[in-house]
Amino acid sequence: IQMTQSPSSLSASVGDRVTITCRASQPISKLLNWYQQKPGTAPKILINSASTLQSGVPSRFSGGGSGTDFTLTINSLQPEDFATYYCQQGYSTPITFGQGTRLEIK
Amino acid sequence: QVQLQESGPGLVKPSQTLSLTCTVSGASVSSGLYFWSWIRQSAGQGLEWIGRIYMDGSTNYNPSLKSRVTISVDSAKNQFSLNLSAVTAADTAVYYCARLSFGVVVFDLWGQGRVVTVSS
Repeated sequence: IQMTQSPSSLSASVGDRVTITCRASQPISKLLNWYQQKPGTAPKILINSASTLQSGVPSRFSGGGSGTDFTLTINSLQPEDFATYYCQQGYSTPITFGQGTRLEIK
Repeated sequence: QVQLQESGPGLVKPSQTLSLTCTVSGASVSSGLYFWSWIRQSAGQGLEWIGRIYMDGSTNYNPSLKSRVTISVDSAKNQFSLNLSAVTAADTAVYYCARLSFGVVVFDLWGQGRVVTVSS
């Protein structure tokens, strides 16, 4: 299953609201997860099952969607949110990731 | 708390076998609730799932690497390992071990990553 994220990169300011989209090449129900990765570190899980916030993740992060189209929204961007975000499908093997969306400070 | 730590050579010669081990602390690889997995990331590139192993030794591999990959588990040492044979420069990457939860199929814990360079 191919996962396609858009945009590939995004510039925004602190306080902005941004939305990242992930599209699956076939329906995956809600088996879609979102990760945040900062340079030199491992990815960190933010959201599982399309919309379930992982424990300890700020509520400004939210996810939605089902089937083939999914979104990650970050409300009121904070300086620590500038990173790369990946989606990942768990519907079938091989497990696949999107190519990533790099969120940069404007 | 649960931690995963990769170890192994950081430099491998072309055509040789890349071998890495992931040591799990604070949890048991024999837990029936999780798979144990390897993922890699080439410089400036995205994430590629390599494969996973369950406590009974059953495995699933990415078809793109299946002919060269072996993942094994050692319950006595609470470790799992990756062997990737016949490596080329294209296998140069950061290799992560990770815990994969059943059901929601999410990588909820990751090691810090091991940089492996393939070069003569």
